Amino acid sequence: NAGVMQNPRHLVRRRGQEARLRCSPMKGHSHVYWYRQLPEEGLKFMVYLQKENIIDESGMPKERFSAEFPKEGPSILRIQQVVRGDSAAYFCASSPLGYNEQFFGPGTRLTVL
Amino acid sequence: GDSVTQMEGPVTLSEEAFLTINCTYTATGYPSLFWYVQYPGEGLQLLLKATKADDKGSNKGFEATYRKETTSFHLEKGSVQVSDSAVYFCALKGDGANSKLTFGKGITLSVRP
Repeated sequence: NAGVMQNPRHLVRRRGQEARLRCSPMKGHSHVYWYRQLPEEGLKFMVYLQKENIIDESGMPKERFSAEFPKEGPSILRIQQVVRGDSAAYFCASSPLGYNEQFFGPGTRLTVL
Repeated sequence: GDSVTQMEGPVTLSEEAFLTINCTYTATGYPSLFWYVQYPGEGLQLLLKATKADDKGSNKGFEATYRKETTSFHLEKGSVQVSDSAVYFCALKGDGANSKLTFGKGITLSVRP
């Protein structure tokens, strides 16, 4: 069973461009979480999704950020009009229904020039 | 809201030294507690967990005991190795399946030969 997959692993964008980060959960996992790790800090929760539903987006910035987890395909975290402060590592985790543990992907490291 | 506090780092130890990394938490109800490890350039791996008071999680020589009376989950290892050099994160998950993780800031451990 393959682990959580994220791509790209590294992404470079210029200010004002859009960034799209993809996350494919482990097989059989219907819950996806996105976390952001700023330099020298711990991970901060952003959003929790099930297929076609956003369950908890309390950690998402109010503007420019959006997330989806369609019926088919990976979960997408989208950042519009990126700014330098968006530079961070973005981690995706997945879990099955009713399970305590979350399994993390390798992360996407976003650099905004 | 929920929070996790880890001792300040970084920590540098000689090989075979004893390791303690302190972690305390604030949460309502009965959270589950976790230690995650992050090796350079990689994602997070679950190291150990405990789901109720007085549970002891253990893995790879590491141990932590869920102490509800002191709201703590300190990580210990009797004899560290160079390969243990990594960033260690304490985290909690609130009541209810599939809820988000709240992380501490993490602490960098370096082990010298």
